[in-house]
Amino acid sequence: GENVEQHPSTLSVQEGDSAVIKCTYSDSASNYFPWYKQELGKRPQLIIDIRSNVGEKKDQRIAVTLNKTAKHFSLHITETQPEDSAVYFCAVVSGGSYIPTFGRGTSLIVHP
Amino acid sequence: EAEVAQSPRYKITEKSQAVAFWCDPISGHATLYWYRQILGQGPELLVQFQDESVVDDSQLPKDRFSAERLKGVDSTLKIQPAELGDSAMYLCASSLAGVDTQYFGPGTRLTVL
Repeated sequence: GENVEQHPSTLSVQEGDSAVIKCTYSDSASNYFPWYKQELGKRPQLIIDIRSNVGEKKDQRIAVTLNKTAKHFSLHITETQPEDSAVYFCAVVSGGSYIPTFGRGTSLIVHP
Repeated sequence: EAEVAQSPRYKITEKSQAVAFWCDPISGHATLYWYRQILGQGPELLVQFQDESVVDDSQLPKDRFSAERLKGVDSTLKIQPAELGDSAMYLCASSLAGVDTQYFGPGTRLTVL
């Protein structure tokens, strides 16, 4: 099955800095790559996603880049704010089976 | 805005007892997922439905867990008997199709004593 690795597990930044979280995957048939934000005690919520026919997607301070050859994709958050503090999960969905696999999560801490 | 509904929100039970969780997906969503999330980890897929059919249940401990989505709408996840290691958050999610955005419910926090 699919193997998704997410790094780092914890990321601590100062307000205004950029944050980058990276995920690698193993199944070359995977074609949908969403990112979720989960605040403490709340449900995961989609913040951005990318499909395999696109290399980059941006939404205000958040961007995702995909390198299909190297089988990795990254979440970029610019001008971080304290309210960005949460756990971020990447996920990979196989185009063949449509089965989603989640990374283990990155705890982002933004210090004011 | 439509949301995925789950109940109960919290459940405390003793080991060897039976528990059941209910999920009502967003109307029109054909794909429904049950996940287990242990604190500090990502959601682990237990079972995925497409309408009323199981797409994948390879990670579902079938000796004690069962899931059904009889009419292709709402779904029930059951554990019998519950074990201490089953303590976790059980999340339900739905999407229009398999490669569309998943919307998560609030989850059921299960504690097995």
